[in-house]
Amino acid sequence: GAGVSQSPSNKVTEKGKDVELRCDPISGHTALYWYRQSLGQGLEFLIYFQGNSAPDKSGLPSDRFSAERTGGSVSTLTIQRTQQEDSAVYLCASSRWGDQETQYFGPGTRLLVL
Amino acid sequence: QKEVEQDPGPLSVPEGAIVSLNCTYSNSAFQYFMWYRQYSRKGPELLMYTYSSGNKEDGRFTAQVDKSSKYISLFIRDSQPSDSATYLCAMSAGVTSGSRLTFGEGTQLTVNP
Repeated sequence: GAGVSQSPSNKVTEKGKDVELRCDPISGHTALYWYRQSLGQGLEFLIYFQGNSAPDKSGLPSDRFSAERTGGSVSTLTIQRTQQEDSAVYLCASSRWGDQETQYFGPGTRLLVL
Repeated sequence: QKEVEQDPGPLSVPEGAIVSLNCTYSNSAFQYFMWYRQYSRKGPELLMYTYSSGNKEDGRFTAQVDKSSKYISLFIRDSQPSDSATYLCAMSAGVTSGSRLTFGEGTQLTVNP
């Protein structure tokens, strides 16, 4: 079946602009995770959704970052007033209820802030 | 100090060699241990998953977890050029932490024909 998909694949933006990154999880997966992968920092957790609620937002680096999930499916990560340090690969993962450690990752969105 | 430490390499081996990849961790709450493989410009792909201490084998891959030493390993037998990738260890404390994964930095492996 279809895996996790993310769009866009690549995004180049200017400092100060807002960006939206989209994640389509595997159908039927109730848990959805956002991670960020950058040089020197590795893969870092950002936020976790169970259904449409986000019980753990502790990884969001600042209040410029927000995310939502609608219909228990698609999620959008929004970065406002982008900064150069936001440049990274943003990865989304999903998992089934009761097997949340088995997370399947999408290909990621490569964000470059100029 | 990072919760999970992993030597970034790079590691270069000849085809057919046995590869050993390792991670250490400091958080005793970690109960689930994973190894992911990531090819260049792709998302991580789950290779192995182990709960608590012990060994798990899947084809040419063997994962070992020693919770008493806070040390996990991945062994690749008869390595192939197609195994060339970055290998990431990941850990979770389970649903009490939302099953969020904490990753090592990743080890870049090259298998030479």
